[in-house]
Amino acid sequence: DAEITQSPRHKITETGRQVTLACHQTWNHNNMFWYRQDLGHGLRLIHYSYGVHDTNKGEVSDGYSVSRSNTEDLPLTLESAASSQTSVYFCASSARRVNTGELFFGEGSRLTVL
Amino acid sequence: DQQVKQNSPSLSVQEGRISILNCDYTNSMFDYFLWYKKYPAEGPTFLISISSIKDKNEDGRFTVFLNKSAKHLSLHIVPSQPGDSAVYFCAAKKRLDSNYQLIWGAGTKLIIKP
Repeated sequence: DAEITQSPRHKITETGRQVTLACHQTWNHNNMFWYRQDLGHGLRLIHYSYGVHDTNKGEVSDGYSVSRSNTEDLPLTLESAASSQTSVYFCASSARRVNTGELFFGEGSRLTVL
Repeated sequence: DQQVKQNSPSLSVQEGRISILNCDYTNSMFDYFLWYKKYPAEGPTFLISISSIKDKNEDGRFTVFLNKSAKHLSLHIVPSQPGDSAVYFCAAKKRLDSNYQLIWGAGTKLIIKP
């Protein structure tokens, strides 16, 4: 069965360290997204990609970067982790031009920055 | 500028009764509205959607109503079951060039009491 997987599921790091969260999907979807979920804010879009070599900033992109070198993967990098980036991160994917906008989500990566 | 709002952070309902979750939006350009359900330590999963040209969509125990004049939608769950206890997110889809984006509400935590 096709799926979307995130790793690591849990990560504790120190302020200033570089952290990379992996996202891998086997749906062959063109669209991939990274969100963060914080209490009272719902899901906020960090970065997104509509295809290989395409990346775009979302509403909370400062301090984060992504790259899309193939269809399956969209790693999220925190260049210099800050305590404000302690959150649960979700990766999602969807097919291009899906009328309903349905996204498929990974199980999340909980990141703690000390 | 919160384009999609879920004003109730939580809702408690007796098992077997109707659960009604509400969502308000401000942008008339949204063409689809979606509801997602999220259990703890899991990613959100798609539940039901409605096109902006419809006023009702039903799927088993779940019905979504859309009132365009009031810019309001609601999700009805009848009858409510213990497994329905989760966080429910409302999302609205808008077109962006040849693709689309989802705008998310902050979520409502539904608790079904036995």
